[in-house]
Amino acid sequence: LAKTTQPISMDSYEGQEVNITCSHNNIATNDYITWYQQFPSQGPRFIIQGYKTKVTNEVASLFIPADRKSSTLSLPRVSLSDTAVYYCLVGDRYYGNKLVFGAGTILRVKS
Amino acid sequence: GAGVSQSPSNKVTEKGKDVELRCDPISGHTALYWYRQSLGQGLEFLIYFQGNSAPDKSGLPSDRFSAERTGGSVSTLTIQRTQQEDSAVYLCASSLGPAREETQYFGPGTRLLVL
Repeated sequence: LAKTTQPISMDSYEGQEVNITCSHNNIATNDYITWYQQFPSQGPRFIIQGYKTKVTNEVASLFIPADRKSSTLSLPRVSLSDTAVYYCLVGDRYYGNKLVFGAGTILRVKS
Repeated sequence: GAGVSQSPSNKVTEKGKDVELRCDPISGHTALYWYRQSLGQGLEFLIYFQGNSAPDKSGLPSDRFSAERTGGSVSTLTIQRTQQEDSAVYLCASSLGPAREETQYFGPGTRLLVL
């Protein structure tokens, strides 16, 4: 499984756009990029998944450059409730469904 | 509909005792996963069930850990002769199918404390 590197923590203010970048230099051809969010005392929650270019849903956008060696999760206009740990995962689409979570990025949103 | 549920939500036990943790996946989900999360750490995969196939036990840390899934639904994770290093949050997840693009839905976890 490709190793991922994310910032340990980020601080932001309400209403700002937050971009969290994940490096995955060893990503393989079949690998997808998935982001999860985890609040204290809860299990992780799926946010978004992509393979290349840009993916957008009602919660976030995911930007993946052509070389796919990194990806950026973009959260528009964050609120205090977006304070959580965000995990970037990279893995084969068809094999190995075991999610391997790194330490994640602690996002703290301040008022 | 109902999400993944786990019981108990908290468990305190003494070193050397056995514990059983229960997971009720989302109805109709064929894939079920157990993970462990130690304080301040990411998730560690433990075991994976898919339909009637033999489970993938590659993540179990020792032979004190075992899990079963009866009738393709409810799963029980058993830890025998618990040790203090077993203290963690044990998370269960289920997905509609085995493919990676299938979203895994997590339960709230069971917080295990071994004294």
